[in-house]
Amino acid sequence: TQLLEQSPQFLSIQEGENLTVYCNSSSVFSSLQWYRQEPGEGPVLLVTVVTGGEVKKLKRLTFQFGDARKDSSLHITAAQTGDTGLYLCAGAGTGFQKLVFGTGTRLLVSP
Amino acid sequence: DAGITQSPRHKVTETGTPVTLRCHQTENHRYMYWYRQDPGHGLRLIHYSYGVKDTDKGEVSDGYSVSRSKTEDFLLTLESATSSQTSVYFCAISPTGGGNTEAFFGQGTRLTVV
Repeated sequence: TQLLEQSPQFLSIQEGENLTVYCNSSSVFSSLQWYRQEPGEGPVLLVTVVTGGEVKKLKRLTFQFGDARKDSSLHITAAQTGDTGLYLCAGAGTGFQKLVFGTGTRLLVSP
Repeated sequence: DAGITQSPRHKVTETGTPVTLRCHQTENHRYMYWYRQDPGHGLRLIHYSYGVKDTDKGEVSDGYSVSRSKTEDFLLTLESATSSQTSVYFCAISPTGGGNTEAFFGQGTRLTVV
């Protein structure tokens, strides 16, 4: 079973602060995705990274795929209250048919 | 929004009873997934389907079965519900398998087994 561990599990910060969320595995993934989930809703895709070492920016969010394609990080600059939510990483599992999700990081940004 | 509907949205059932959750899509996507979400565990894959009548197990498949007789419908059955199956269940669809394309999620079904 391919496991994706995320850290930290919970993060409570003030508006304007920076933060980084990590997604780690002992397995190699062909690609990694990041999703955000709000209460009462299903997850929504933020980004897909496919190349080792790749960096993608989405406004204040920066995503990086590790060189060995076993890990990824999400950095948020100057967090806003609208960033509050559950952040999930996901990777293609064995046979590249399964989509396996990480354990999740719950972010709370306070005004 | 992707056309994906889960039913029911909420259900309370008694231990030992069978329960069926339905996922219906209008996108004609090949892949369909059932996940359960519990605090501290993210989303865990129960079963998935890669075509009509083609299904496979995920990491937490014990106590669950699935069926896909039509492209648009993917059913999840709890054969004999237990309290440990109290959870929020999400269905997802994707045009291709794995993590190279976006997976679209339903709004979830909150199941309580008493």
